[in-house]
Amino acid sequence: QKEVEQDPGPLSVPEGAIVSLNCTYSNSAFQYFMWYRQYSRKGPELLMYTYSSGNKEDGRFTAQVDKSSKYISLFIRDSQPSDSATYLCAMSEGSSASKIIFGSGTRLSIRP
Amino acid sequence: NAGVTQTPKFQVLKTGQSMTLQCAQDMNHNSMYWYRQDPGMGLRLIYYSASEGTTDKGEVPNGYNVSRLNKREFSLRLESAAPSQTSVYFCASSARDRSVGGYTFGSGTRLTVV
Repeated sequence: QKEVEQDPGPLSVPEGAIVSLNCTYSNSAFQYFMWYRQYSRKGPELLMYTYSSGNKEDGRFTAQVDKSSKYISLFIRDSQPSDSATYLCAMSEGSSASKIIFGSGTRLSIRP
Repeated sequence: NAGVTQTPKFQVLKTGQSMTLQCAQDMNHNSMYWYRQDPGMGLRLIYYSASEGTTDKGEVPNGYNVSRLNKREFSLRLESAAPSQTSVYFCASSARDRSVGGYTFGSGTRLTVV
């Protein structure tokens, strides 16, 4: 079993829809949770990161962490065609010696 | 702003050939990383350099070597390429070692080994 599981998609939704992207994990020591966005033929770019449980909002994006269920989500409101990309979750225990573990990514397509 | 620059962008190698992937960053970051990305596998860390003068193995180091040439540059060498090394390679940097808030990635090198 992988430490971080992410549905690869593809996920296709109409413009303006609310998008929900999710990851599950098995390591209860993870404390830092990140979402990266990767456009085709580009490197990943950090979208949001959160510490421990709770919600964090940044414009149209909301990151949610439920440590009791070992489940994290990224919500995109009023989705735009420019949001079409692969979204990777990532997580870390946060100590100076800990690794960052990436999910395999969910490919998202927003239809105009 | 250039950020992290990787060269070359594409490369085809024959089995057994060697090559070096180059990476340079202009953000005065201390730490640099090499990842490979394969379908369904996510990003896997090959080697990293927490600071100038140090390098350490990551999750999948076999078949690779690295050199932290100076604070800006971190190269990845394949001594004898194998088809299993066909992948997209990303270099990344961060201000401090394994900074959870701030990795900057390059655009990648697409390598095919035939």
